[in-house]
Amino acid sequence: NAGVMQNPRHLVRRRGQEARLRCSPMKGHSHVYWYRQLPEEGLKFMVYLQKENIIDESGMPKERFSAEFPKEGPSILRIQQVVRGDSAAYFCASSPWTDEKLFFGSGTQLSVL
Amino acid sequence: AQTVTQSQPEMSVQEAETVTLSCTYDTSESDYYLFWYKQPPSRQMILVIRQEAYKQQNATENRFSVNFQKAAKSFSLKISDSQLGDAAMYFCAYRFSGGYQKVTFGTGTKLQVIP
Repeated sequence: NAGVMQNPRHLVRRRGQEARLRCSPMKGHSHVYWYRQLPEEGLKFMVYLQKENIIDESGMPKERFSAEFPKEGPSILRIQQVVRGDSAAYFCASSPWTDEKLFFGSGTQLSVL
Repeated sequence: AQTVTQSQPEMSVQEAETVTLSCTYDTSESDYYLFWYKQPPSRQMILVIRQEAYKQQNATENRFSVNFQKAAKSFSLKISDSQLGDAAMYFCAYRFSGGYQKVTFGTGTKLQVIP
């Protein structure tokens, strides 16, 4: 029973490029959450998705950031025209509808040069 | 909006001793969940313990236990017989129990275990 899979583990981008972060939830989980963690800080909520629906995007920056969780395939967090301030660890978590616990992936470390 | 506050950025404990990490939260709800997550240097977030607000009994998981004070909105984590593998960042978290809800995290406490 594979856990939450995130890839890539590390992603390096130059300023102005696009970053795509992928998250495959645990089998049977229909809810996905994305969090951002800056060095020495806690996890900041970004977005909460159910299959084909955005439930809560109150933590997403208004520009350049988007997320999707299609019917088939992984959830994608997309950052357009990255800037140095986007450098952070991005964590994905999933849960089934019947469980309030989150199961986390190992994160994607985004570095913007 | 719900907030979670961890006022101890860093703590240290001698191996085999007991340490308590503090957490307070702010909510107007009466039914919710509280969690402690551990993040070792590997960065993997691991659920340590969970508490349902409607339960008066404090949750325990082996060497980990909580002191849940609902009226004071306090949720501290006690680690007994500390081990070197307990060294990590510890995050307190809150989730309202109604419907589709996000989990809100505190800023974390870095725990150092001294051999």
